[in-house]
Amino acid sequence: DAGVIQSPRHEVTEMGQEVTLRCKPISGHDYLFWYRQTMMRGLELLIYFNNNVPIDDSGMPEDRFSAKMPNASFSTLKIQPSEPRDSAVYFCASSLYRGTNEKLFFGSGTQLSVL
Amino acid sequence: KQEVTQIPAALSVPEGENLVLNCSFTDSAIYNLQWFRQDPGKGLTSLLLIQSSQREQTSGRLNASLDKSSGRSTLYIAASQPGDSATYLCAVNLTSCSNYQLIWGAGTKLIIKP
Repeated sequence: DAGVIQSPRHEVTEMGQEVTLRCKPISGHDYLFWYRQTMMRGLELLIYFNNNVPIDDSGMPEDRFSAKMPNASFSTLKIQPSEPRDSAVYFCASSLYRGTNEKLFFGSGTQLSVL
Repeated sequence: KQEVTQIPAALSVPEGENLVLNCSFTDSAIYNLQWFRQDPGKGLTSLLLIQSSQREQTSGRLNASLDKSSGRSTLYIAASQPGDSATYLCAVNLTSCSNYQLIWGAGTKLIIKP
């Protein structure tokens, strides 16, 4: 398996623009997570899905953020409109639920810069 | 509220030394604890997962221990190599019904000098 695949690797955009981040989880994994990492706040869980259904979105900072998982092999995180304070590395991760002791697998992340 | 602390924030040691990274947590009611490695510009890689009923896990030159009663975990790296240079994060899992209530430490940046 190629692992968790995220695109794009880097995104530079101007304030106010819409940004869409994409993620393909490992095949067969039934949990998918979106994290944000910054120097100031470290890793923050934004939202996670189980079997394509959003379970906990309490970490989504504002209504400007939305996430979807239309099928088991694809998820998007959208920011509209983007702001400079959204600049961070966004990670997607997936896991297979087996008695809660399965490891978490991360993608390489999307480095987002909002100017 | 569960808090996870990793001290020191950064560590630099000569190649070949054995070293210990520390992770402490405030509430002993954890389900498991994971150690991750993060290389610059990369995602996180899970190294070891210790269940609450276990005392330690080993993988190659890595050994992770868990002492729930004292709220501590250590990651022991034997015979360190420059390739071990990375940031190491620990995360505790709080609940038994989901693997994903993870509380993260801020990480220890490790530099192994050739």
